Amino acid sequence: DQQVKQNSPSLSVQEGRISILNCDYTNSMFDYFLWYKKYPAEGPTFLISISSIKDKNEDGRFTVFLNKSAKHLSLHIVPSQPGDSAVYFCAASNDNNNDMRFGAGTRLTVKP
Amino acid sequence: ETGVTQSPTHLIKTRGQQVTLRCSSQSGHNTVSWYQQALGQGPQFIFQYYREEENGRGNFPPRFSGLQFPNYSSELNVNALELDDSALYLCASSSNPGGRETQYFGPGTRLLVL
Repeated sequence: DQQVKQNSPSLSVQEGRISILNCDYTNSMFDYFLWYKKYPAEGPTFLISISSIKDKNEDGRFTVFLNKSAKHLSLHIVPSQPGDSAVYFCAASNDNNNDMRFGAGTRLTVKP
Repeated sequence: ETGVTQSPTHLIKTRGQQVTLRCSSQSGHNTVSWYQQALGQGPQFIFQYYREEENGRGNFPPRFSGLQFPNYSSELNVNALELDDSALYLCASSSNPGGRETQYFGPGTRLLVL
């Protein structure tokens, strides 16, 4: 049962433009959402998170938006830089268990 | 302060064999979670250990088992290997079981079952 879905396997954007990565979830019990970034041969690293009591969280060039009614979240990167090229995973969890569910990932390529 | 390390980096086994994967936590971390990442998929939660006790388990059969040691390092054991067990196995350590943001992943062990 894939409770977290990232429907775009890849995304390519030009340096300086906005990158928008999308994620949908099905389980309404999820109350915490995270984005991870993964470079080849490295483990995922935490990027930004959002609690279900918020609809936006911003950290520098990275902003995560949460639409609970649509069960949808998105990660915006502005401006995109070539060093942002990586695989991005969204993940969801709830306070009652440690089972964090990940999407399949979106490979972002930022072209110079 | 050292990061999360995993050994070995790569491993080839045949169906039916048993395998042990190892993980050293980041200094000061008492919680370790294990994930399986199949090709083209996101990481899937196997289980978590907190202070040497299992503290939550995902949808994996009992042939996936684990240990956490007093120094908080951890092992993942898989018995009776199947072809579908071929995957990247990630461990992540954190300073507490609910530390989702402070969960640091190791680089993983890539297991191939023939």
